[in-house]
Amino acid sequence: EAQVTQNPRYLITVTGKKLTVTCSQNMNHEYMSWYRQDPGLGLRQIYYSMNVEVTDKGDVPEGYKVSRKEKRNFPLILESPSPNQTSLYFCASSKARDGYYEQYFGPGTRLTVT
Amino acid sequence: GENVEQHPSTLSVQEGDSAVIKCTYSDSASNYFPWYKQELGKGPQLIIDIRSNVGEKKDQRIAVTLNKTAKHFSLHITETQPEDSAVYFCAATLISGSARQLTFGSGTQLTVLP
Repeated sequence: EAQVTQNPRYLITVTGKKLTVTCSQNMNHEYMSWYRQDPGLGLRQIYYSMNVEVTDKGDVPEGYKVSRKEKRNFPLILESPSPNQTSLYFCASSKARDGYYEQYFGPGTRLTVT
Repeated sequence: GENVEQHPSTLSVQEGDSAVIKCTYSDSASNYFPWYKQELGKGPQLIIDIRSNVGEKKDQRIAVTLNKTAKHFSLHITETQPEDSAVYFCAATLISGSARQLTFGSGTQLTVLP
């Protein structure tokens, strides 16, 4: 089954404790992206990657890191989480060819930072 | 950058009635406008999209209209059913090469009352 998977689905952590949220897709997509979803703000892009070893900042990159060492994986790293990073996070992937713009989203990771 | 405003934030309709969700965008260069549906506990899923060279697109009970001059686009759902209850997001972007950056609206919680 074609899908984007995220782990963990739920995470409660404390301020300053480094964490990683994994994202993996099995569709051989070049493009991957991370979003955060907050009430009243919709989905805001954190980082995206057009291919292996190519990453770029989205609209709200502060406090986050990403890496793209393999085509299928795109982990989101919070080096020192803070309460304002409490949010619902989504990973998405897409083909990166003209004419293919649909983004496939993972099921989400709900993060709480206390 | 692009800014997308979406209204209303919540919408309740009786089963069988129509629902309309409206979005405005700020960047006149944007040329791709997708709509995503997010069911409870899941990631968003593309339901319909439109390019700027088209004024209207329809897929069964769902239609999207685009007014480039006014910079707004709308989602129309006819003959609503309980399974249409979800959060709907509009988005806008300039398709440039293989760029996949989307700017999302803040979302509309649609509730279809039986």
